[in-house]
Amino acid sequence: AQSVTQLGSHVSVSEGALVLLRCNYSSSVPPYLFWYVQYPNQGLQLLLKYTTGATLVKGINGFEAEFKKSETSFHLTKPSAHMSDAAEYFCAVSVYNQGGKLIFGQGTELSVKP
Amino acid sequence: AAGVIQSPRHLIKEKRETATLKCYPIPRHDTVYWYQQGPGQDPQFLISFYEKMQSDKGSIPDRFSAQQFSDYHSELNMSSLELGDSALYFCASSLGDRGPYEQYFGPGTRLTVT
Repeated sequence: AQSVTQLGSHVSVSEGALVLLRCNYSSSVPPYLFWYVQYPNQGLQLLLKYTTGATLVKGINGFEAEFKKSETSFHLTKPSAHMSDAAEYFCAVSVYNQGGKLIFGQGTELSVKP
Repeated sequence: AAGVIQSPRHLIKEKRETATLKCYPIPRHDTVYWYQQGPGQDPQFLISFYEKMQSDKGSIPDRFSAQQFSDYHSELNMSSLELGDSALYFCASSLGDRGPYEQYFGPGTRLTVT
């Protein structure tokens, strides 16, 4: 079975500062990893995903994440936070040939201070 | 670009009533997923359909049923509603259910049970 743990339910940064949201996964088979963002009262939007190949993945809005198998991690980063980045971020995992369902982490709420 | 459509966006029901949520996937997408997100919770997988057949089943109560129709839209039927069913229900669609296919989420239906 797969699981995801997001460290820190709430992260606060200043505008222009580095954003680091932590995600660790557990999977007995090679995982597919995703980061989604959810703005208030809206659906989930895909930021980026890792399937195979290059372990550093670039996504939308300047976000990127690095798959580290040895650390079972897939942390999300952005060099410079913008006010519009304030939202809830979910890390998720799925695996091949198991229906494609996403298993989500608990979410991290990102606040950006002016 | 066309997105996933969910209707209604908001629904208020009383205990023991029934509710039907509808999902219209992105054109040509053949897979539909349903997720339930309780207040302050991460989305939980309920059920999925691929090519009109149930593909996978998660933590869906027996009071709930779902199906995917010939035009690929899906309906989630919820009976004997309980207060604990109050949540945001998301539908997502993708092309295929085996690989790391990106799931596109709808805006959700907010169900309130009173």
